Amino acid sequence: EAGVAQSPRYKIIEKRQSVAFWCNPISGHATLYWYQQILGQGPKLLIQFQNNGVVDDSQLPKDRFSAERLKGVDSTLKIQPAKLEDSAVYLCASSWPAGGRETQYFGPGTRLLVL
Amino acid sequence: AQRVTQPEKLLSVFKGAPVELKCNYSYSGSPELFWYVQYSRQRLQLLLRHISRESIKGFTADLNKGETSFHLKKPFAQEEDSAMYYCALSGWSSGGSNYKLTFGKGTLLTVNP
Repeated sequence: EAGVAQSPRYKIIEKRQSVAFWCNPISGHATLYWYQQILGQGPKLLIQFQNNGVVDDSQLPKDRFSAERLKGVDSTLKIQPAKLEDSAVYLCASSWPAGGRETQYFGPGTRLLVL
Repeated sequence: AQRVTQPEKLLSVFKGAPVELKCNYSYSGSPELFWYVQYSRQRLQLLLRHISRESIKGFTADLNKGETSFHLKKPFAQEEDSAMYYCALSGWSSGGSNYKLTFGKGTLLTVNP
């Protein structure tokens, strides 16, 4: 079974620029998560989708971050404009069935550096 | 609010020695607890979850509700156990609409030859 795919793997941008990350979950997984992992910290949930609906976006900085999951499959996470403190690894994960207590499968992450 | 604490950032042991990675949690409901592991240059993956009561790669973890702990143990560490270990708790979100996974900050385990 193919794992969660993410791209790009690395991105370097200057502050105030915009950036987008893409995630393709495991086929059939209804729930998709985006996490932010700052150096030295554990992953922090930014947004959770169930199919193509948002279940939890309480920790998403909505003034600059946005995410969508079209057709309940792929998802994109966008930052506009980026700040220095957005430098982190952005992890995508997926799980099945929906609910939140099942095992989550993680992608390799996108490492973002904001200069 | 739910919180996971891993008091040790770094843990270094010798091969063959016992290892214990500590995890304490704070949650008012009935928790579901996990250990995730990230080996060098690999993605984060599940090691074990308390509800399964399994031993994976020789590791075990027991949920102690009285002490609110979920420590990870292995009697004889191997060099291939060197990795970053994250304890995580799945609990009902403060918004009340979903279960949410909260991670600790992680413990980097190094097993020396």
